[in-house]
Amino acid sequence: DQQVKQNSPSLSVQEGRISILNCDYTNSMFDYFLWYKKYPAEGPTFLISISSIKDKNEDGRFTVFLNKSAKHLSLHIVPSQPGDSAVYFCAASEAGANSKLTFGKGITLSVRP
Amino acid sequence: DTAVSQTPKYLVTQMGNDKSIKCEQNLGHDTMYWYKQDSKKFLKIMFSYNNKELIINETVPNRFSPKSPDKAHLNLHINSLELGDSAVYFCASSQGRATVLYGYTFGSGTRLTVV
Repeated sequence: DQQVKQNSPSLSVQEGRISILNCDYTNSMFDYFLWYKKYPAEGPTFLISISSIKDKNEDGRFTVFLNKSAKHLSLHIVPSQPGDSAVYFCAASEAGANSKLTFGKGITLSVRP
Repeated sequence: DTAVSQTPKYLVTQMGNDKSIKCEQNLGHDTMYWYKQDSKKFLKIMFSYNNKELIINETVPNRFSPKSPDKAHLNLHINSLELGDSAVYFCASSQGRATVLYGYTFGSGTRLTVV
């Protein structure tokens, strides 16, 4: 039962353009949403998060948008750089003690020079 | 100075063997996790410990046994290894078990191959 879905396995964009990575979820109890970035042979690294009381959170070139009614979130990277080429995981969690992160299967982003 | 370190990085072993993966974090976090990334690339939680207490135990075969001697260490022991156990295992840590918004810090993973 995939509660977090990243339906596009890959995305290729030109350097300098915007990258938009999408994520859908099915569990209406999710309250927190995160994006992780992963390079080959390394562990995932935390990028940005958003709580369900917000619809947007921005950190430098990275912005996460949350549409609770559609159970959809997206990560925008502007401008995209070759160093952004990696696998991006969407993750979500319910509130409360003993919370755990549920991950999607990731999207491979390639930024062409 | 690695924040979350796992050893070994690669492990190749035969079916039926028993093996352990070690994890240590020097961040002062009080919660640690084991995740498994299978061939379909999903990262799935297996266990979580908070101050040496088991707080999350997902549906995992009892051949997998976590052990936390102190809050900086969480080891994973696997008995009677099977082909389906082949995966990448990630250790992670966080400060507090409810502060998800700050993210977990992951180790670089242990690629286990059972032949």
